[in-house]
Amino acid sequence: QLQLQESGPGLVKPSETLSLTCTVSGGSIRSGSHYWGWIRQPPGKGLEWLASSFHSGSTYYSPYLQSRVAISVDTSKNQFSLRLTSVTAADTAVYYCARQERIVATVLGWFDTWGRGTLVTVSS
Amino acid sequence: VLTQSPGTLSLSPGERATLSCRASQSVSSSHLAWYQQKAGQAPRLLIFGASSRATGIPDRFSGSGSGTDFTLTITRLEPEDFAVYYCQQYGSSSSFGQGTRLEIK
Repeated sequence: QLQLQESGPGLVKPSETLSLTCTVSGGSIRSGSHYWGWIRQPPGKGLEWLASSFHSGSTYYSPYLQSRVAISVDTSKNQFSLRLTSVTAADTAVYYCARQERIVATVLGWFDTWGRGTLVTVSS
Repeated sequence: VLTQSPGTLSLSPGERATLSCRASQSVSSSHLAWYQQKAGQAPRLLIFGASSRATGIPDRFSGSGSGTDFTLTITRLEPEDFAVYYCQQYGSSSSFGQGTRLEIK
């Protein structure tokens, strides 16, 4: 059974870089049928898609965060990662990693398997 | 942009729920999904391709619509169905609606 687990610091200072890793178990990140993505949810608010990546390195970013966000995949460790630079209090959220269906090349799909999420607080 | 309505829906168990998701531009190839989220949990996929149920989802959940207007219908509400529901559009990019809270009346 596929499982995803987020890991990383729970507290980040303003203006610094938020870095999270998602470890995939029970399946291969080299799947040709899936992308791997990050979604966040500020406390009490809705979901926001951040970024997605194919195992080969093709990446897709939210136009609202494109200048600050980067996603990468490490196939040797079956992990993928998120970096968000110049964080502010507005970046405080639960960050989820998820598997995303790859409908066809360059076409993102739905998220069918999610991690449990990790709360990241931006505060000095 | 996806706009969900109503913001909150108050119904009783056994009733029928109709949730709306409207897109500001046509959603190509019915690339729309629905999720259920309970407090403290990750979202769970219910519907993809506007009307296809995900694995293990009861048939009281159904999705319909095309273009800019989509609907999630839950017939005969069960106590465990009271939660927040999100729609998601996907394709060359992705985004979520702001959510509809389904609460017990």
